[in-house]
Amino acid sequence: DAKTTQPTSMDCAEGRAANLPCNHSTISGNEYVYWYRQIHSQGPQYIIHGLKNNETNEMASLIITEDRKSSTLILPHATLRDTAVYYCIVRPYTGTASKLTFGTGTRLQVTL
Amino acid sequence: NAGVTQTPKFQVLKTGQSMTLQCAQDMNHEYMSWYRQDPGMGLRLIHYSVGAGITDQGEVPNGYNVSRSTTEDFPLRLLSAAPSQTSVYFCASSPDPWGTEAFFGQGTRLTVV
Repeated sequence: DAKTTQPTSMDCAEGRAANLPCNHSTISGNEYVYWYRQIHSQGPQYIIHGLKNNETNEMASLIITEDRKSSTLILPHATLRDTAVYYCIVRPYTGTASKLTFGTGTRLQVTL
Repeated sequence: NAGVTQTPKFQVLKTGQSMTLQCAQDMNHEYMSWYRQDPGMGLRLIHYSVGAGITDQGEVPNGYNVSRSTTEDFPLRLLSAAPSQTSVYFCASSPDPWGTEAFFGQGTRLTVV
């Protein structure tokens, strides 16, 4: 699976958009970009995934660059409850059974 | 909705003891997996299963056994606990065969003394 690089930590003011970047320059054609988050002491929570088109759901938007070497997770109106570690994961959608490889992620701190 | 249920939430073991961490899901998911998370680190895959009767090793399988006799349950057995197995353990299940959009349990915090 392709390796990802994320900033260690980020801050965001409550009510503002949080933009979390992820670099995945070695991504291959059949690999999707997945985002999970882990709120303190809880199990990880699936957020969104995409292949090459931008995706949006009730939680977030995912913007993938045209060359697919990087992506950005956008939380449009961050709240204190969005404070968590966010993981960007790249893996094939089909094929052999999963190995969701979690790196150390980005610790997002939402402040008043 | 129960989702993925792990028991116990907390456990302290002495070195050499054995125990089983329980995981049950009520979503009829075929794919289930176990991860461990050490302080300040990401999750690492221990074992996984793509269906009843089928299991395989993940990244860090040594010292752990699993079995999958039913779709709902996927217990993780520690054969002879060691301090290096002190960690938080998460069980996950997924509706797709490859464990991608995974639902995680709340974790079991295990301390081995």
